Amino acid sequence: EAQVTQNPRYLITVTGKKLTVTCSQNMNHEYMSWYRQDPGLGLRQIYYSMNVEVTDKGDVPEGYKVSRKEKRNFPLILESPSPNQTSLYFCASRTQGAGNTIYFGEGSWLTVV
Amino acid sequence: QQPVQSPQAVILREGEDAVINCSSSKALYSVHWYRQKHGEAPVFLMILLKGGEQKGHEKISASFNEKKQQSSLYLTASQLSYSGTYFCGTEGAGGTSYGKLTFGQGTILTVHP
Repeated sequence: EAQVTQNPRYLITVTGKKLTVTCSQNMNHEYMSWYRQDPGLGLRQIYYSMNVEVTDKGDVPEGYKVSRKEKRNFPLILESPSPNQTSLYFCASRTQGAGNTIYFGEGSWLTVV
Repeated sequence: QQPVQSPQAVILREGEDAVINCSSSKALYSVHWYRQKHGEAPVFLMILLKGGEQKGHEKISASFNEKKQQSSLYLTASQLSYSGTYFCGTEGAGGTSYGKLTFGQGTILTVHP
C-alpha cells in the first residue's frame, strides 16, 4: 500500500529538548516536504527536498532542520524546540515535477511546554 | 506567497450548493484541491492544470482560469460528509516556484441536516 509514515504521531516535549520527527515514503518519490498547520493559517511549508541531498527552505524554516540522505526518508529536526513550534506537522511526498498529486502522512501533533 | 481563499467559512444545509474561490498573485501552472477532516490528513480531490479545463468528481467540480490566476471549487447538492476544511494548493508556472506547492489558509465548510 502506498503511504507516507510519520513518527511520532503525538508528542509532548519541553523547551530546548532536541527532537526528530521521522518521515518515510514507499512510493519512490523524489519530492518530499514538511508542512505545519496552525488554526487560520492553513498549511505552511517548512522545508522541501527535490531529491537526495537536495533540500531548500519553504516559507517558515526558522527553528527547523532537515536532511535527505536516502530517497525514502526525510526527517524533521527541531534542535531547540520552543512553545511557538507547537503545531500539527505533516510530511508529504510526490513524483517530481509540477502537476502531480501530493500524498500526506497522517500528521504529528507536537506540543512544546 | 500563499494563495487567498474565500470565503473563510460557509454554513449550508444538506442539498444546498457552495462555491469556494482560490486566488493567486502569480502565474500558475496548476491548482490542487484537498479536503481535510479535523485532525486528519488532507485528502486529495482533484488537480487542474493550466489550460482552463474544468474537472469533476461526483458532485464536486472545479474550474481554473489561468489568465486570472484563479480557481473555484463547486459543491452541489451538499451532503453531511462534505463538511471539513477545503484547501487549494498552487504551483507556480516558472522560476523558483515551479514544482513548489503552496496552500491557502483554508475554507471551513459545515453542512447541517
